[in-house]
Amino acid sequence: GESVGLHLPTLSVQEGDNSIINCAYSNSASDYFIWYKQESGKGPQFIIDIRSNMDKRQGQRVTVLLNKTVKHLSLQIAATQPGDSAVYFCAENIDSWGKLQFGAGTQVVVTP
Amino acid sequence: EAEVAQSPRYKITEKSQAVAFWCDPISGHATLYWYRQILGQGPELLVQFQDESVVDDSQLPKDRFSAERLKGVDSTLKIQPAELGDSAMYLCASSQDRGPYEQYFGPGTRLTVT
Repeated sequence: GESVGLHLPTLSVQEGDNSIINCAYSNSASDYFIWYKQESGKGPQFIIDIRSNMDKRQGQRVTVLLNKTVKHLSLQIAATQPGDSAVYFCAENIDSWGKLQFGAGTQVVVTP
Repeated sequence: EAEVAQSPRYKITEKSQAVAFWCDPISGHATLYWYRQILGQGPELLVQFQDESVVDDSQLPKDRFSAERLKGVDSTLKIQPAELGDSAMYLCASSQDRGPYEQYFGPGTRLTVT
């Protein structure tokens, strides 16, 4: 069936470097996407979202890029810090009620 | 900052027992979601409420799970009887309304069934 997936299960990044987390989606009708950060034992934390009428959106130290042609989503984290270590999920809105479909997640490990 | 509240944070129960989780969404949020998350995987939707009405419970195992949101505010998810395979994190989320809006999650309830 259609699903949201992540290319890299684990990403190791040196402190201060930029991180890029990728996500492929398969539902071409999806119109809304969210990136979440989840620390161990906690609920997912909203980071940033983007609608399908945009191809880029920036937040504080984060940028989300959407390429609808190849159905690809990415999250860029600038100047990665130890506190950025977590699992990152992309989620895709798949119906008019707001139902989200999540990928399996990418573990980001920030090394000193 | 408004947050989604959940309780308890941790629950250990024996199989065949009943267990209940409570969620209080962000004030004014009409839409409430219950998700289940197995370790190492993304959350999966169990049930979605719009105000007090269920709008999606297609993935809810209705033989043992039930959910209610009687006054359209807080919600309870119940499992009876619990099975070993129910061990997971149960997450509640809310959004301002149905449709493509930000969903904010609570801290979750970690359930262990022994």
